[in-house]
Amino acid sequence: GNSVTQMEGPVTLSEEAFLTINCTYTATGYPSLFWYVQYPGEGLQLLLKATKADDKGSNKGFEATYRKETTSFHLEKGSVQVSDSAVYFCALSTGGYNKLIFGAGTRLAVHP
Amino acid sequence: GAVVSQHPSRVICKSGTSVKIECRSLDFQATTMFWYRQFPKQSLMLMATSNEGSKATYEQGVEKDKFLINHASLTLSTLTVTSAHPEDSSFYICSAHNERGSTDTQYFGPGTRLTVL
Repeated sequence: GNSVTQMEGPVTLSEEAFLTINCTYTATGYPSLFWYVQYPGEGLQLLLKATKADDKGSNKGFEATYRKETTSFHLEKGSVQVSDSAVYFCALSTGGYNKLIFGAGTRLAVHP
Repeated sequence: GAVVSQHPSRVICKSGTSVKIECRSLDFQATTMFWYRQFPKQSLMLMATSNEGSKATYEQGVEKDKFLINHASLTLSTLTVTSAHPEDSSFYICSAHNERGSTDTQYFGPGTRLTVL
């Protein structure tokens, strides 16, 4: 079946450090891939997405590349800020707007 | 941008009572809404897909008679937890698909924390 695996947290970084959160997936067909972010006390927000192999999604300094050969969609940011502290969810969708399947989430804490 | 609200944000109830949670798309129409459940420090698990004007589609293992879903209009879906028990305590999140937007993007509500005593 379809599934998403992402690295366990929490990830603790100092401000301006480089961030990588790993995400791999298993899916039949050709899924769309997403990163959602959940700030404390708020709902999930779409951070970025990619809909086909080799696409790069980017937003707010974050980026992730859809790698079909490694079935991965790792999230990266070159210089994190305290305001990036949140829980990040990797997700996939295998058809239109049907059924998002989420990874377990990775909590990121950025300290000054 | 697309905004989805949920009401209430928090609710505490006694065991055996029923609780209704509303999910509204504020600035767009949503023929399809989704209901998720999130346990502490865990991921979101899809409970059901709510379609305007028709019956909801429930995921395997979700009791449809316990979690009643009604999607009576293009901007409102409700989830009623019937005869709630402590094990139903959780964070319930809805999302909505903007039919005029990208076909693969869902917009999420802020969630409702249910505590059953």
